[in-house]
Amino acid sequence: DQQVKQNSPSLSVQEGRISILNCDYTNSMFDYFLWYKKYPAEGPTFLISISSIKDKNEDGRFTVFLNKSAKHLSLHIVPSQPGDSAVYFCAARGNTGNQFYFGTGTSLTVIP
Amino acid sequence: DGGITQSPKYLFRKEGQNVTLSCEQNLNHDAMYWYRQDPGQGLRLIYYSQIVNDFQKGDIAEGYSVSREKKESFPLTVTSAQKNPTAFYLCASSRGHVWTEAFFGQGTRLTVV
Repeated sequence: DQQVKQNSPSLSVQEGRISILNCDYTNSMFDYFLWYKKYPAEGPTFLISISSIKDKNEDGRFTVFLNKSAKHLSLHIVPSQPGDSAVYFCAARGNTGNQFYFGTGTSLTVIP
Repeated sequence: DGGITQSPKYLFRKEGQNVTLSCEQNLNHDAMYWYRQDPGQGLRLIYYSQIVNDFQKGDIAEGYSVSREKKESFPLTVTSAQKNPTAFYLCASSRGHVWTEAFFGQGTRLTVV
């Protein structure tokens, strides 16, 4: 049973515009969330994270928002660049702290 | 440079053969993990190890085995009991037992023919 869901398998955005990637989770005990970026045939690389005690974390062009009541988080990329084209995974940490649950990924294409 | 090295990047095996995927890290991380990625699915945890000589099953451990004889190494064996072994395998490591982020290797694409 998928505890972390990314319902949009793909997203296309024009260069310079905002990209919004969404993620939903089912377990209210998750206490830490991350976003990873993955290029084809490579391992994922860490992008940004947020603790459940916060509702927003910003790092340059990337901002993650967390809505605990809705069990929803989103990643905003502003402005989007062609190099941002990749698959983005969200992940949630279980309350035991030693296992992360990953979503199915959203493939972002930024059109020049 | 510190990092995680998975080898080989591409691997082909005949059905019924066991195959071992290598994962080495020089980050001095305590914990190591093996994930599997299939098309349209998220990363699913196969096994993880928090300390040397100890490891736990993840969500899809059947048909796989691991060992953790050294802190730096966490090899994964895909046995003939694994029904659908063709997949992209990712190894990861993290600093501590309660990890805030995982660092991933480049992955191994295993194709069983």
